[in-house]
Amino acid sequence: DAKTTQPNSMESNEEEPVHLPCNHSTISGTDYIHWYRQLPSQGPEYVIHGLTSNVNNRMASLAIAEDRKSSTLILHRATLRDAAVYYCILRDLITGTASKLTFGTGTRLQVTL
Amino acid sequence: GAGVSQSPRYKVAKRGQDVALRCDPISGHVSLFWYQQALGQGPEFLTYFQNEAQLDKSGLPSDRFFAERPEGSVSTLKIQRTQQEDSAVYLCASSLAGGAVENEQFFGPGTRLTVL
Repeated sequence: DAKTTQPNSMESNEEEPVHLPCNHSTISGTDYIHWYRQLPSQGPEYVIHGLTSNVNNRMASLAIAEDRKSSTLILHRATLRDAAVYYCILRDLITGTASKLTFGTGTRLQVTL
Repeated sequence: GAGVSQSPRYKVAKRGQDVALRCDPISGHVSLFWYQQALGQGPEFLTYFQNEAQLDKSGLPSDRFFAERPEGSVSTLKIQRTQQEDSAVYLCASSLAGGAVENEQFFGPGTRLTVL
C-alpha cells in the first residue's frame, strides 16, 4: 500500500488559514487522496477527497501537486471547532468502496485564540 | 438519529471475560467496517462486510476476535477471553455500496473497551 507522511502536530490561530501538508511519493495512478479528521472523543469524519485536480467543499480545499506526490488540506479560517487530528489517506480506485481506510498517525491541529 | 450508533459506549471487562460490541449502521448502507484504535494511534482496520458477507477479515488480530452481520444490517464484534492488549476504542463505519471510491465512510462514536 502507498504510504503517506504528515507532520505530527501543527498550531494555528483562530480565524487564520491553515495548510496541512501530506507527502505520498509512492502514490499510484489509481489512488485517490482522501482526508478525514477526528475530533476529540469522536469517530473520524470525512473532509474531502480528490484525484488530480484541486477540490473545494464547504469544509475545506484540497490542493494536489502536479506530480501527485504531495497534497495540502487548506482550512480557510480555522475555528476552535477545527481542533482535531487530520488524516491523509490513499484509497485505490480499483478496489473502490470495499477498500479499507489505512490511517497513519495524522497531524494533530491545535487552534488557539 | 441518522448516523452510525454503537453500544455500549464504554465497557470494562476483567481479563478473560468475553465481550460483545454492537454497531447499528446507517439504514441502507451495504458496507460495514470495524476498526481498532489504540491510545494515541490512528484507527486500524479489522474487518469488512458487504451485506451479510464478511469479505475481508485480514485485520483481526487473533482467533479470539469474531464479527458477524447475520441480516446485513446490525453487526456485532465479539472478543473472547479478553486480554489487556485488547484495550482500545473500537470504531464501526458504514458506507454506500456501488464500487465508487468516492463513497465516504461514516463512523460511529466508538466503544471504549478497558480490560483490567
